[in-house]
Amino acid sequence: DSGVTQTPKHLITATGQRVTLRCSPRSGDLSVYWYQQSLDQGLQFLIHYYNGEERAKGNILERFSAQQFPDLHSELNLSSLELGDSALYFCASSVTTSGSGGAGDTQYFGPGTRLTVL
Amino acid sequence: AQTVTQSQPEMSVQEAETVTLSCTYDTSESDYYLFWYKQPPSRQMILVIRQEAYKQQNATENRFSVNFQKAAKSFSLKISDSQLGDAAMYFCACRFSNDYKLSFGAGTTVTVRA
Repeated sequence: DSGVTQTPKHLITATGQRVTLRCSPRSGDLSVYWYQQSLDQGLQFLIHYYNGEERAKGNILERFSAQQFPDLHSELNLSSLELGDSALYFCASSVTTSGSGGAGDTQYFGPGTRLTVL
Repeated sequence: AQTVTQSQPEMSVQEAETVTLSCTYDTSESDYYLFWYKQPPSRQMILVIRQEAYKQQNATENRFSVNFQKAAKSFSLKISDSQLGDAAMYFCACRFSNDYKLSFGAGTTVTVRA
């Protein structure tokens, strides 16, 4: 158990709908990262938050958004869902004490949310 | 572009034997961190081992060890005394000093034969 929790574990929805994925980082971790794992794209970085502020964006679609709350949990919102959004979405957390990136920080992953869009 | 390449889609090993997974990366940075993650059928991403680029000594964690060749930009993972529970997909990942994210290779599926 990494200490990172994600809910729900599975989500099945229809095209055009909106869903919210939730992540709670390990105790004491200030950084949260979101990744998408799909069969054709592999593991792709979506976005990074540090202590409530957005720090970096990756290949995140405009239909997707995220935020990190004062209690450090994070939510990833996916809207106008398409079939191609079906994937495993991971949240990871790390300490990142400086907020400057902390390349040495090890990222610990949650169990993931399996999203299926029908 | 900073990339991570795993050229072996699949590897098979006999139980109790040793298998080595290859990983190469491309970067002009001198400071970075390398990781191997294991993804078993449960799909959980589990950290196996980590290596700091500034350290010459290869990292070891029980039956898992790495061969880090900085000049060659190579970071291979050796699994010794393979066990059935080692069957999983293994991802090589790199965190470059000017970046926040992990960059992943495509993964290598390891099958352990009893």
